[in-house]
Amino acid sequence: NAGVMQNPRHLVRRRGQEARLRCSPMKGHSHVYWYRQLPEEGLKFMVYLQKENIIDESGMPKERFSAEFPKEGPSILRIQQVVRGDSAAYFCASSLMNTEAFFGQGTRLTVV
Amino acid sequence: DQQVKQNSPSLSVQEGRISILNCDYTNSMFDYFLWYKKYPAEGPTFLISISSIKDKNEDGRFTVFLNKSAKHLSLHIVPSQPGDSAVYFCAASDSGGGADGLTFGKGTHLIIQP
Repeated sequence: NAGVMQNPRHLVRRRGQEARLRCSPMKGHSHVYWYRQLPEEGLKFMVYLQKENIIDESGMPKERFSAEFPKEGPSILRIQQVVRGDSAAYFCASSLMNTEAFFGQGTRLTVV
Repeated sequence: DQQVKQNSPSLSVQEGRISILNCDYTNSMFDYFLWYKKYPAEGPTFLISISSIKDKNEDGRFTVFLNKSAKHLSLHIVPSQPGDSAVYFCAASDSGGGADGLTFGKGTHLIIQP
């Protein structure tokens, strides 16, 4: 029973490029959450999705960031026109309703 | 404004002794609290949780205590083992237990010394 799978583990992008981070939830989980950890900070909630629906995006920056969780395939966190301040570890988690979240290993994004 | 605070960035404890990690919160709407453990280059791993209707929850060597009037919770690890060395995050939710909108503290780096 595979856990939450995130890829890539490491992603390097030049300023202005696009970054796509993928997350496959645990089998049977239909709730996906994205969190970001900036250096020396705790994890910050970004967005909560269910299949084909964004439930809560209160933690998402208003510009350049978007997330989706299509009917088929992984959840995607997309960052357009990346800037140095986007460099962080991005963690995806999944859960059944009202249970603890299980986290993936994260994608470390470095913007150069 | 940090709603979940872990005021000790690091804590050093001798192997075999008790580790006590503390967490304070300000939002009285929080009704579910979780502790996560994180090793370098890995994702957080769920450790233990507690609902606001309880004041204590135990799971093996791990016990979480909740003091609602003080808006304070603590994680006790007894006895501490070398494998417990990690960063511990306290998290809180106002959604009845789901993972949507968890608010995390900045973490406490626990170091278990032989």
